[in-house]
Amino acid sequence: QQQVKQSPQSLIVQKGGISIINCAYENTAFDYFPWYQQFPGKGPALLIAIRPDVSEKKEGRFTISFNKSAKQFSLHIMDSQPGDSATYFCAASKGGGSYIPTFGRGTSLIVHP
Amino acid sequence: DAGITQSPRHKVTETGTPVTLRCHQTENHRYMYWYRQDPGHGLRLIHYSYGVKDTDKGEVSDGYSVSRSKTEDFLLTLESATSSQTSVYFCAIGEGTQYFGPGTRLLVL
Repeated sequence: QQQVKQSPQSLIVQKGGISIINCAYENTAFDYFPWYQQFPGKGPALLIAIRPDVSEKKEGRFTISFNKSAKQFSLHIMDSQPGDSATYFCAASKGGGSYIPTFGRGTSLIVHP
Repeated sequence: DAGITQSPRHKVTETGTPVTLRCHQTENHRYMYWYRQDPGHGLRLIHYSYGVKDTDKGEVSDGYSVSRSKTEDFLLTLESATSSQTSVYFCAIGEGTQYFGPGTRLLVL
């Protein structure tokens, strides 16, 4: 049973465009929602994260939008650049001593120059 | 970067042979994890540890065992490697936020 569903599987965007990746979760106990960025040949690295007490978090060109009632969260990359080409994973976890995250299956983003 | 190293970084082995992958951290994190990454499946948790000698299974633990005798080291063993275990293996540490190592690319022939 996939607890975090990520879409799309792949995304092609022109330089300067907006990239949008969506995730939906099922477990209402989740309280931490990070996004990871992975370049080829490297391990994933934290990009940005949000907790459900806020509806949006922005860091530079990257924004997480969170909809608690719909159990959805999304990553928006504004002014997408070729250097943003990577695989992006959403994840969800719950605290209280159990930190095991559940990952989405990933989105391969290609930004054409 | 979090101080996480994995060894070896690349390995080719034959079906039926035992393989051990090592993860070493210098961050003194309590939680350590082993994942495998395969196309179309994302990151799947194999085993994790929440302290020395405290380990538990993840969603794809069959065919794998782990050991953690020191805080800084977490070993993943494939007792008898199979071709289906060809994958990229990542170690991670952390609680909530995960910090990943550079990965080990394993090919089982």
